[in-house]
Amino acid sequence: NAGVTQTPKFQVLKTGQSMTLQCAQDMNHNSMYWYRQDPGMGLRLIYYSASEGTTDKGEVPNGYNVSRLNKREFSLRLESAAPSQTSVYFCASSENTFYPDSPLHFGNGTRLTVT
Amino acid sequence: RKEVEQDPGPFNVPEGATVAFNCTYSNSASQSFFWYRQDCRKEPKLLMSVYSSGNEDGRFTAQLNRASQYISLLIRDSKLSDSATYLCVGVNSGYALNFGKGTSLLVTP
Repeated sequence: NAGVTQTPKFQVLKTGQSMTLQCAQDMNHNSMYWYRQDPGMGLRLIYYSASEGTTDKGEVPNGYNVSRLNKREFSLRLESAAPSQTSVYFCASSENTFYPDSPLHFGNGTRLTVT
Repeated sequence: RKEVEQDPGPFNVPEGATVAFNCTYSNSASQSFFWYRQDCRKEPKLLMSVYSSGNEDGRFTAQLNRASQYISLLIRDSKLSDSATYLCVGVNSGYALNFGKGTSLLVTP
């Protein structure tokens, strides 16, 4: 049982390049999320998907797009990377959206550096 | 001001000590809370949920004080392996998850 799988684990981009972070979960969860974690800022929600076919903005959506490809997969795309997007990105899933009894399960993270 | 505030620490304690962290929340409508543990350069992992009556799991006890709007995490008989960052998470009535910035714990021999 793999849980939440993210790829790649590390990535270096030049300013203006684009890339897609991939995430897949095998727990049959309805909801999926993308967070970024920066020193001194804690975890901040970028986008989330309450269920297959829906996506919504979180706290810091600017510069990102997402696709909920199917129930298992939720990708995050940076169209034109900026140094401010240097961060650690975590994908997460939960049985239901933000439901109090439905904690998040996180992937291993992607360390992105934009130069 | 973040909805969930934590003392960033670091808390340095000797092995075997008891240590407690507090987490305050500003949204009185917050319904429930979680404690997550995050090891260095790893993903957060759920440690325990906290409900109105609190929760205990082995050496770990979480308490909720709604009147003063804080939750606490008590770790008894600290182990070296408890060294990590502990994240407090609040869930409000809109079901938005609010993460604290984390409290760093270092248990020393």
